[in-house]
Amino acid sequence: EAGVVQSPRYKIIEKKQPVAFWCNPISGHNTLYWYLQNLGQGPELLIRYENEEAVDDSQLPKDRFSAERLKGVDSTLKIQPAELGDSAVYLCASTGQATNEQFFGPGTRLTVL
Amino acid sequence: AQSVTQLDSHVSVSEGTPVLLRCNYSSSYSPSLFWYVQHPNKGLQLLLKYTSAATLVKGINGFEAEFKKSETSFHLTKPSAHMSDAAEYFCVVPRSNDYKLSFGAGTTVTVRA
Repeated sequence: EAGVVQSPRYKIIEKKQPVAFWCNPISGHNTLYWYLQNLGQGPELLIRYENEEAVDDSQLPKDRFSAERLKGVDSTLKIQPAELGDSAVYLCASTGQATNEQFFGPGTRLTVL
Repeated sequence: AQSVTQLDSHVSVSEGTPVLLRCNYSSSYSPSLFWYVQHPNKGLQLLLKYTSAATLVKGINGFEAEFKKSETSFHLTKPSAHMSDAAEYFCVVPRSNDYKLSFGAGTTVTVRA
């Protein structure tokens, strides 16, 4: 079984530039999560999708962050414009209907210069 | 509110010696609890989970954890550390009885040859 796929794995941009991250969850997993992980800390939830609907985006900074999951499968997280403090690892996870275990992707490490 | 506290930010052990990672939880009810491991540049992987079926939980790679309600603890142990155990370990509790996960700050494990 293929795991959660994320790309790119690493991204370096200058501040004020836009950036996008892509996630393909495990096949058949209806629930998809985006997390932010700062250095030396545990992940924090940004947004949760049930199929194509964002059911919890309360922690997403909507002034600069946006996300979409148009067909209820893969998802994109965007930051525009990026700030220095956005440097972190962005993790994607997914869950199937039969379990509450979240399966995580390898993450995208963003560096904003 | 449910939360976890990992008592050690860094643990260093010699290969072949026991590993102990300490986690205390705070919960208004008997929670589910998880341990995740994150190897460098990899996604988080579930090591084991407690869901009230048995207080001693065995996980992958020889790890186990014991739920102690009287001590509000869920410490992770392994009898003999291997070099491949060098990683970041997170104790995790659902913030409510659903999908939201509250991560501890993490414990970095270093294994000396």
